[in-house]
Amino acid sequence: DTGVSQDPRHKITKRGQNVTFRCDPISEHNRLYWYRQTLGQGPEFLTYFQNEAQLEKSRLLSDRFSAERPKGSFSTLEIQRTEQGDSAMYLCASSPAPGLGRDEQFFGPGTRLTVL
Amino acid sequence: QQQVKQSPQSLIVQKGGISIINCAYENTAFDYFPWYQQFPGKGPALLIAIRPDVSEKKEGRFTISFNKSAKQFSLHIMDSQPGDSATYFCAASMVQGGSEKLVFGKGTKLTVNP
Repeated sequence: DTGVSQDPRHKITKRGQNVTFRCDPISEHNRLYWYRQTLGQGPEFLTYFQNEAQLEKSRLLSDRFSAERPKGSFSTLEIQRTEQGDSAMYLCASSPAPGLGRDEQFFGPGTRLTVL
Repeated sequence: QQQVKQSPQSLIVQKGGISIINCAYENTAFDYFPWYQQFPGKGPALLIAIRPDVSEKKEGRFTISFNKSAKQFSLHIMDSQPGDSATYFCAASMVQGGSEKLVFGKGTKLTVNP
C-alpha cells in the first residue's frame, strides 16, 4: 500500500495523559499537513511541514500540541496533558513538491482519539 | 470565523436523481476549490477540483459549477447511485508561504436511496 498511513487508528486515553500519533506520508511527498476533524465538522488545519521544516501552525495548536518531522519523512503529533476537548479524528495528508499546478493532498485514514 | 459555508447539511436523493451541494467563500484570495468525498472510517479523498479561471468542470458524473462574482461554487452529481452515499466537503485554498492548507466546509451527508 503506497498511500498515507497513520498509527494508531484508534486511541483511548484518560484525561491528563500524553499521546503520540504517527503519520507516514507517500514516499517522495515533501509536504505534510495535520488536520483535526470533530464529529459533524470538516477537517481543520493544524500544521504544515515542508520537508523537515514546520512552516505554519494554526492557532488551534495550543502549547500542549507539538509536531515533528525528523529527516523530512514520517511525522509525529504529540498531545500533552490531554483534555476531553481533544477528542477528535486527527488526519494527516501529504502532497508532492510544488509544481506548476496545484497538487492533490492525499489523506490518511486518521487516528481517532477519545479522551475519557 | 467560517470562511467556507456549505449547504445543505444533509441530502437524500433517489437513485438516478441529481444531487446538488452548494458552497460559498469569503476570502477572494482563494484560488483553488476542491471537493472531497469521505466514507465512514476513512480519510477524505479528492473527487474533483476547479480553479477560478473556469466556470465549470466535469468529470464523469461529477460537475463543479463556479461563480466567481458571487463567490459561490457547487457540486452536481448526476445519476446519483447508492455507492455515492458519503459525506462531501467543499474546500478552498491559496498558496501562502509554500503551504496550500485547505479550509473546509462543514460537510454534507448524502444518502442515495435505491
